[in-house]
Formats: sequence, C-alpha cells, structure tokens
Amino acid sequence: DTEVTQTPKHLVMGMTNKKSLKCEQHMGHRAMYWYKQKAKKPPELMFVYSYEKLSINESVPSRFSPECPNSSLLNLHLHALQPEDSALYLCASSRGISGELFFGEGSRLTVL
Amino acid sequence: RKEVEQDPGPFNVPEGATVAFNCTYSNSASQSFFWYRQDCRKEPKLLMSVYSSGNEDGRFTAQLNRASQYISLLIRDSKLSDSATYLCVVNPPGTASKLTFGTGTRLQVTL
Repeated sequence: DTEVTQTPKHLVMGMTNKKSLKCEQHMGHRAMYWYKQKAKKPPELMFVYSYEKLSINESVPSRFSPECPNSSLLNLHLHALQPEDSALYLCASSRGISGELFFGEGSRLTVL
Repeated sequence: RKEVEQDPGPFNVPEGATVAFNCTYSNSASQSFFWYRQDCRKEPKLLMSVYSSGNEDGRFTAQLNRASQYISLLIRDSKLSDSATYLCVVNPPGTASKLTFGTGTRLQVTL
C-alpha cells in the first residue's frame, strides 16, 4: 500500500470546468512533487515544493495551479484544460531531495 | 543525445532466466542513480538506488559504470511477478530534485 494518497483516482472534466487533485502524505517528507505521465512515456516533472515553498515550476501552463497548504498536503488546481492534458497525474514525496521518491497511485484525468 | 536512454524492449524471457538492462546517461557529472519499477497502469516504485560500488538486493543487482556512463540492472531467476517496466532515473548535477527518467524497458516473463 502506498503511503502517498491521491484523490480522486479518476476524474473526467470538460474544458470549462474547475477541479482539483489532492495529495496527502504523513511520512514527514519535506519535498512534494507533481508529475504528469502519458501512456507509454516516463513521468514528466511539473512542480516541486520544498518545505512548503514552490521551488521548481517546469514551465507548466497557468491552467495548472499548484498549492501546498501544509507539509502533508499538496493540491493541483485545474482550470480550462485541454484534451491533450488528459494523463495520469502522479504526486510524490521524498524525505529530502535525494531522488528516492514515494509515488501515490495517481489521478487519471480525462478532459473532454 | 538524450539525457537518459534505455532500450524500450520488450524483453520476453522465460521464468527462471537471467535478464539484464542497461541505461546510459549523458551528463558525466551526474551523482545519483536509481531503478524504479512501474506495473501497468500503476505508479512507479523505487526498486533500488545504484551506488558506485554496486549493490545487490536478493535477485536484483545494480551496477554503475562511470567511465562508460551507464548503469545496469540484473535480474536473476526471473519470476512472473517481475513483469513490469523498469525505469532508469538519474539526478543530474545542480538540479536537485529534478530527476530525469528514462523511457523505461518493458520486461515480460513467461511460463
């Protein structure tokens, strides 16, 4: 069982909708990440939060808006998405920035 | 040249076989290396970190060759449950927390 919990597991939304993906970890990890993964491709880094501050934004379009309310929670707010944004969105955490990531099961997003 | 390159496979091997994957990386100053495993439609999970001296965990052995800039993963006595995609992951220097994932090598172990 993963110790990083993501909700919802599946989400279908229209291009005009606003929705949010949520991620929670209780391992005391201080770094949290959002990755996007398309079928048969590796995960692509979107955002990194370190000690609740955004430290990396990989030039992600503004229709994706991350938020880190506290050290255990990470959200990804979605607005005006495009069909090509359909993908598996993975949250991960790590104790430091060592590269040993713990992934959640992901939220599978479909944009119609 | 891609930052991290892997043979996509698939590697189809019978149960009990030994199989090896290689992964090459372009930045010679990279410091951290990992193998992750990803099952179909599941999240990646850390399989092993790769240390300079090499490391072994049961049937799995990881090696690092800095001179040739590649890492390898050896799986002995393959099990059906080893069927998955194996992702090579490198942390280039000066890019803390920006891991670079290879495209993965798919392994299918058959009866």
